Amino acid sequence: SAVISQKPSRDICQRGTSLTIQCQVDSQVTMMFWYRQQPGQSLTLIATANQGSEATYESGFVIDKFPISRPNLTFSTLTVSNMSPEDSSIYLCSASTGLRQPQHFGDGTRLSIL
Amino acid sequence: RKEVEQDPGPFNVPEGATVAFNCTYSNSASQSFFWYRQDCRKEPKLLMSVYSSGNEDGRFTAQLNRASQYISLLIRDSKLSDSATYLCVVSISGNTPLVFGKGTRLSVIA
Repeated sequence: SAVISQKPSRDICQRGTSLTIQCQVDSQVTMMFWYRQQPGQSLTLIATANQGSEATYESGFVIDKFPISRPNLTFSTLTVSNMSPEDSSIYLCSASTGLRQPQHFGDGTRLSIL
Repeated sequence: RKEVEQDPGPFNVPEGATVAFNCTYSNSASQSFFWYRQDCRKEPKLLMSVYSSGNEDGRFTAQLNRASQYISLLIRDSKLSDSATYLCVVSISGNTPLVFGKGTRLSVIA
């Protein structure tokens, strides 16, 4: 399975700032996704990162707050914009070879907003 | 009705016990099924795919009942290292991402 690296692994940020999380896959993959997971809670899909076009966002998530880039088949970024304490969470990147195929996850970015 | 439903647990079992997790899904057209494991403060990791005929991997057995829209995971001879949250995951369609259940927490006690 693909090896997925996320950077940074953790960060503490000030309210009102923005942070960009990077996700690098060691092989070309068809699908890349971004999730959020609050401590002790289930995964919530933020969006599907589409190569060469705008990401597909889930209900409750918008591009202005969570802009996503995917310039090629191995790399994607998620920006958390104008952060507030409610954005404190673990953000996870995943990748798969197709929508029906299993996803493999990066080890996550732990984000705390003061 | 939620797309994927699991008993949240926690299941507290002694070492050596057999434990079974159940999961139901709402869309009868679902095609792909998986069990993931997530350790505390770690990312989810694929445990096993679930095939129509049922499949086994060591102490772990997964079964699918399409008529009842039901998936199960059986863990035999539980180890302390099996303590984790087990996520039921379903592909609802070929046009949407996988749907993750909320997970069932297992604690294996010495």
